[in-house]
Amino acid sequence: DTEVTQTPKHLVMGMTNKKSLKCEQHMGHRAMYWYKQKAKKPPELMFVYSYEKLSINESVPSRFSPECPNSSLLNLHLHALQPEDSALYLCASSPGLAGGGAKNIQYFGAGTRLSVL
Amino acid sequence: KQEVTQIPAALSVPEGENLVLNCSFTDSAIYNLQWFRQDPGKGLTSLLLIQSSQREQTSGRLNASLDKSSGRSTLYIAASQPGDSATYLCAARSNTGKLIFGQGTTLQVKP
Repeated sequence: DTEVTQTPKHLVMGMTNKKSLKCEQHMGHRAMYWYKQKAKKPPELMFVYSYEKLSINESVPSRFSPECPNSSLLNLHLHALQPEDSALYLCASSPGLAGGGAKNIQYFGAGTRLSVL
Repeated sequence: KQEVTQIPAALSVPEGENLVLNCSFTDSAIYNLQWFRQDPGKGLTSLLLIQSSQREQTSGRLNASLDKSSGRSTLYIAASQPGDSATYLCAARSNTGKLIFGQGTTLQVKP
């Protein structure tokens, strides 16, 4: 099973709402990632967790708050977003940040399409 | 700072043709290079991963090569099919785990 599951698939929210995106994997991976992808652009890294600790924050605005409650789950809490935050949010996981040779592939979920009104 | 470039941005070919997608990167100190496929509105599917010490990887009709010294990777698709139509992304991975993506090549294979 190489599945990364993201919920919800679609989300519409107002600028004053608080919502959360959820990501789950059961491959025993210890590194998990959040990416943001705008239309016709490549994914851009937002956050990286390694062994449930935040390893990389790519200077993401504080209205995005990641959380890794356990090794299988990754959340992204959203608050006071702007319309320009509308995008496809992708979660990924890999066995680790480094090492592992050819097996250290990043597996991506199908994404959550977020619209901020 | 690593920069990844993909050429061409778009490609249209008739079914059955062999084709090559190009990817170049500016910093040769990569950990590995990964090729992905993305269908419209969907997530990314990993196609091939080449370790920095490897020269190529093959999976079915796909073959990816890596030349670190010149900062280039290619994805070769043999006997293209309409089902291969998608956007293909290459991504260079640093040893910190960061993936830097190219802009992608959108492929259309016409029946």
